[in-house]
Amino acid sequence: DAKTTQPPSMDCAEGRAANLPCNHSTISGNEYVYWYRQIHSQGPQYIIHGLKNNETNEMASLIITEDRKSSTLILPHATLRDTAVYYCIVRVYSNYQLIWGAGTKLIIKP
Amino acid sequence: DGGITQSPKYLFRKEGQNVTLSCEQNLNHDAMYWYRQDPGQGLRLIYYSQIVNDFQKGDIAEGYSVSREKKESFPLTVTSAQKNPTAFYLCASSISTGRSYNEQFFGPGTRLTVL
Repeated sequence: DAKTTQPPSMDCAEGRAANLPCNHSTISGNEYVYWYRQIHSQGPQYIIHGLKNNETNEMASLIITEDRKSSTLILPHATLRDTAVYYCIVRVYSNYQLIWGAGTKLIIKP
Repeated sequence: DGGITQSPKYLFRKEGQNVTLSCEQNLNHDAMYWYRQDPGQGLRLIYYSQIVNDFQKGDIAEGYSVSREKKESFPLTVTSAQKNPTAFYLCASSISTGRSYNEQFFGPGTRLTVL
């Protein structure tokens, strides 16, 4: 079973920041949080990952709460090409595998 | 260009036939994975391989088989024992499985339809 909970869908206006929440209340101290996205009928694309600290790269920022029970992916200036399903994933420590949930369908509107 | 290729993009088979899906990578990655995705669902792990000539079952291995004879190749066979094989199949690779991070690179997928 997935170890994360995400809203099934969200809208965001083009040019605004898109904030995607994720709950992972049962995460263990040594398990990473990963974010991927999947544009319709394509293979998923890696976005970012983190353990405890906030992370930023050229695509997005990842904000992890101090208790590690939730996180937020931030796309700073959403474009129409950011319309996709976004998956928040916990990497299981025992076998390093990614446990995928159903994700959040993000729709960017002009 | 480095990447993962899967062929074919669309595949149709009759019920009861075995079918093999191809996955090739030129990223020099040690680890490779096969996932299944059903409509509106996340990915579920079928098999993974950490090194040549070794592979492990994932969460839904029943009715599937794999081989890993070469580092760059990880074919998946969907056997007649798989009760509901129609799905989108994704292959992925990563540098390894045991590092502190594990970015997986995905192929474009094969959509299998069993008639």
